[in-house]
Amino acid sequence: DAKTTQPNSMESNEEEPVHLPCNHSTISGTDYIHWYRQLPSQGPEYVIHGLTSNVNNRMASLAIAEDRKSSTLILHRATLRDAAVYYCILRDNYGQNFVFGPGTRLSVLP
Amino acid sequence: GAVVSQHPSRVICKSGTSVKIECRSLDFQATTMFWYRQFPKQSLMLMATSNEGSKATYEQGVEKDKFLINHASLTLSTLTVTSAHPEDSSFYICSARRTGEVQPQHFGDGTRLSIL
Repeated sequence: DAKTTQPNSMESNEEEPVHLPCNHSTISGTDYIHWYRQLPSQGPEYVIHGLTSNVNNRMASLAIAEDRKSSTLILHRATLRDAAVYYCILRDNYGQNFVFGPGTRLSVLP
Repeated sequence: GAVVSQHPSRVICKSGTSVKIECRSLDFQATTMFWYRQFPKQSLMLMATSNEGSKATYEQGVEKDKFLINHASLTLSTLTVTSAHPEDSSFYICSARRTGEVQPQHFGDGTRLSIL
């Protein structure tokens, strides 16, 4: 599975939008882009995934660059409960498991 | 839907004890389940892939005789840490993939294992 690069940490103010970047310059044509987040002392929680087009769901939006070498997870209005480590992971349909990098630790300030 | 349940959520036991952790897919069938380990302030590391009805596949460096995995049904996989020692203290997390579905993967809430 191709590698991703994310900032170690980011800060946001409550009720403001948050843009979490992810670089994946070696992505292959069949790799899906997944985002998971992990709250303290919990297992990872699915956020969103996509292949080529931008995706929206009730939790977040995923903006995928046209060349697919980067993507951005967008939380439209950060809440204190969004403070977590966010993981950007690539996997194709033949891949077995997810390979977790260090992720981005998001802090949300009241 | 797609809920994965782990039990127990926390266990504290003496060195030398064997500990069994259960991972259940509550509302779907999972041919494949995964076991991860996470040390404090580190990311998740895959330990093994558990396939229903067959032997688990272990990652390099993970002792299969130490970490016994059984996936006897489409909704249950168990991880047994045999003769646990303090260095086995960690956060163990399982995940499951719905049979026939590749994306996404569903995770349990983890088991915090503390060996005294």
